[in-house]
Amino acid sequence: DIQMTQSPSFLSATVGDRVTINCKASQNINKYLNWYQQKLGEAPKRLIYNTNSLQTGIPSRFSGSGSGTDYTLTISSLQPEDVATYFCLQHNSGYTFGAGTKLELK
Amino acid sequence: EVQLKESGPGLVQPSQTLSLTCTVSGFSLTDYSVHWVRQPPGKGLEWMGVMWSGGSTAYNSALKSRLSISRDTSKSQVFLKMNSLQTEDTAIYYCTREGYSASYWGQGVMVTVSS
Repeated sequence: DIQMTQSPSFLSATVGDRVTINCKASQNINKYLNWYQQKLGEAPKRLIYNTNSLQTGIPSRFSGSGSGTDYTLTISSLQPEDVATYFCLQHNSGYTFGAGTKLELK
Repeated sequence: EVQLKESGPGLVQPSQTLSLTCTVSGFSLTDYSVHWVRQPPGKGLEWMGVMWSGGSTAYNSALKSRLSISRDTSKSQVFLKMNSLQTEDTAIYYCTREGYSASYWGQGVMVTVSS
């Protein structure tokens, strides 16, 4: 089974900051990597599909990049409404979520 | 409008079997796959399994021996059954439709395993 190592587990940042969250796969996942945002008490919402395809309606400050085993979610300018937990999901071979990154405002 | 809604018992006794239903609308189960994902309180997400549009299934290897997913296309329902429940199976259980263009999730159903 493919393992996903997500970092950091916790992130504190200021409004306007550039924020990056990383996921590392235990083997090549061929860019089959999605990113989800989960706000408290809500179901997850998909932000990005297959490494860098932004879902309709998601602000352009969110972007994704990566290849092989290493992937990154970037928020170019953090907004207060971005406070949430973020998860990656590989779907190259089976499905595996990362452990999550809790993002809060400093 | 695409919608998914989970239903089932809120409380299950240890060693018993969990049965959940995901009722979908706005699409056909023969056109799209439906996944089950769970989340223990305060913890991360765990992919459980999938009912593919063609009717086959795939499961998380860690749960495979206890888990079964089936469907009734005429009723637009996908079913999850998991046996030998333990306290660590306490979680919110979600069904979700994951496609290239969009992702849809149900609101989730909280299941507590307790005597």
